[in-house]
Amino acid sequence: DSGVTQTPKHLITATGQRVTLRCSPRSGDLSVYWYQQSLDQGLQFLIQYYNGEERAKGNILERFSAQQFPDLHSELNLSSLELGDSALYFCASSARDRVYNEQFFGPGTRLTVL
Amino acid sequence: SQQGEEDPQALSIQEGENATMNCSYKTSINNLQWYRQNSGRGLVHLILIRSNEREKHSGRLRVTLDTSKKSSSLLITASRAADTASYFCATDRAGGGADGLTFGKGTHLIIQP
Repeated sequence: DSGVTQTPKHLITATGQRVTLRCSPRSGDLSVYWYQQSLDQGLQFLIQYYNGEERAKGNILERFSAQQFPDLHSELNLSSLELGDSALYFCASSARDRVYNEQFFGPGTRLTVL
Repeated sequence: SQQGEEDPQALSIQEGENATMNCSYKTSINNLQWYRQNSGRGLVHLILIRSNEREKHSGRLRVTLDTSKKSSSLLITASRAADTASYFCATDRAGGGADGLTFGKGTHLIIQP
């Protein structure tokens, strides 16, 4: 158990819908990272927040947004969902703000878009 | 696009044998990390090697880094059934890492009992 929690575990929804994925980092970690893992694209970095501020950005679509709240939990919002958004979404956390620090991954949220 | 590419894509060996996986990348890096992922679960950090290091050990793991060839290898010695998993290398580009970690597509390792 990494100490990172993600909810929900599974999410099934329809195209065009909007969903919110939630992540709670390990106690004391200030950085939260979001990743998408799919069969065709592999594991892709989406975005990083450090202590409430956006710190790094990867291949995140404009339909996706994220934020980190004062209690350091983070939410990833996915809107206007498409079939291709079906994937495993992971959250990771680390103590500091540099992406090369060891990251602790949550168990993931499996999103299925029908 | 994927910066790291692992080789082989899949590897099946007998328990007790050594397993070697390779990773190649394209740009200059600050650090390279290896992660393990059991089927459908979160990734677990194994080891980090800095760009000025050539070799690092952690238990049964040995990682090498050749920055001139832009490649790294992960050796697991005396493999066990519990080592069955996918292994990913991840790099952060030199210059600040503002675009996050880049993962390869992974090597799927199967340890036959």
